[in-house]
Amino acid sequence: QKEVEQNSGPLSVPEGAIASLNCTYSDRGSQSFFWYRQYSGKSPELIMFIYSNGDKEDGRFTAQLNKASQYVSLLIRDSQPSDSATYLCAVGVGSNYKLTFGKGTLLTVNP
Amino acid sequence: DAGITQSPRHKVTETGTPVTLRCHQTENHRYMYWYRQDPGHGLRLIHYSYGVKDTDKGEVSDGYSVSRSKTEDFLLTLESATSSQTSVYFCAISEDANTGELFFGEGSRLTVL
Repeated sequence: QKEVEQNSGPLSVPEGAIASLNCTYSDRGSQSFFWYRQYSGKSPELIMFIYSNGDKEDGRFTAQLNKASQYVSLLIRDSQPSDSATYLCAVGVGSNYKLTFGKGTLLTVNP
Repeated sequence: DAGITQSPRHKVTETGTPVTLRCHQTENHRYMYWYRQDPGHGLRLIHYSYGVKDTDKGEVSDGYSVSRSKTEDFLLTLESATSSQTSVYFCAISEDANTGELFFGEGSRLTVL
């Protein structure tokens, strides 16, 4: 059974700091990796995806992938209170019909 | 925002009653999904559809059925609701399953007493 593990948190960081969110996965055949953000009481929204080993940057967000270690992370630079949300890691194998989601990490950015 | 509407948004029902949740999209996307989200379990796929009348099971499909007779509508039916099906249900759509980019509806909160 495919598993995606995330630290449930809460992860608390001060405003302006770097927030680091981590995710590990069990299926070595996993090929695509996604980070979704979910505000309390709202629906998830995609913020990053990464397919290849290394780093991918988009504004204040950087996704990092290490397939050998089966590890994917999301860094949020210059964290803002508006970044306070639950971050969901999702993993796909082959076709992404059946993404497997982690349970999410709750991030709180303190002003 | 992607044009996805879920109905009803909130429902309270009793054990043993049938329940149907509706997902309607205006994006003409081929792929549609039903997920449930529960504390301690995260998002879990119930069923998905890759075209009109083409559906398949997800990881937690027991007790649920789906139908898709039109591109824009994807129905989730609980034939006989149980308390374990109390959850928040999200519909999602995607244009291309290979991208993994899902657009989610606002969710339907179902309580089974």
